[in-house]
Amino acid sequence: AQTVTQSQPEMSVQEAETVTLSCTYDTSESDYYLFWYKQPPSRQMILVIRQEAYKQQNATENRFSVNFQKAAKSFSLKISDSQLGDAAMYFCACTGNQFYFGTGTSLTVIP
Amino acid sequence: DAGVIQSPRHEVTEMGQEVTLRCKPISGHDYLFWYRQTMMRGLELLIYFNNNVPIDDSGMPEDRFSAKMPNASFSTLKIQPSEPRDSAVYFCASSTRGLAGRGELFFGEGSRLTVL
Repeated sequence: AQTVTQSQPEMSVQEAETVTLSCTYDTSESDYYLFWYKQPPSRQMILVIRQEAYKQQNATENRFSVNFQKAAKSFSLKISDSQLGDAAMYFCACTGNQFYFGTGTSLTVIP
Repeated sequence: DAGVIQSPRHEVTEMGQEVTLRCKPISGHDYLFWYRQTMMRGLELLIYFNNNVPIDDSGMPEDRFSAKMPNASFSTLKIQPSEPRDSAVYFCASSTRGLAGRGELFFGEGSRLTVL
């Protein structure tokens, strides 16, 4: 069975600073994708960033980047220059025969 | 595109009543998913459809839950009879490339159900 683990239920960061959210996963699939989704208080789930497992290069989307360590099955999200609008729940997800989601990390941004 | 549209956004009902949640996926998406989100259990996949056909309903908690997709632009999730433990946010999501795939899941805004 596939699992996605987010070991940090809550994180906080000062505005303009950098924060890293952790995610580990377990899969028997050889070909899979990894995602980070953001869920603000409005509860809309929004895709933040996507990583193809066959690509060694870490994905980057503006202030968001990942550190993908395939052998360690680790997929952390780094948010640079944190903004107040980054405050949300962040979910890590892995595809296999379905999308597997972690339990989420609640990020607080301190002005 | 308007995105995935769910209704109602909020539903408050009494135990024993029937609840119907509705979803309109993004046009052209051939996969549709129903998720339930609670504090205790996080995001759980209830069921998903491909080309209107249910593929995996192993996440449906019990016989009180049923889901249909009569056409490519509409799906329902029904709970009958409802119980307080069914209180949750129910999300519908659609995708062009299914689970094993590469496509992102596009989520609706969710339906918050409260069963008293």
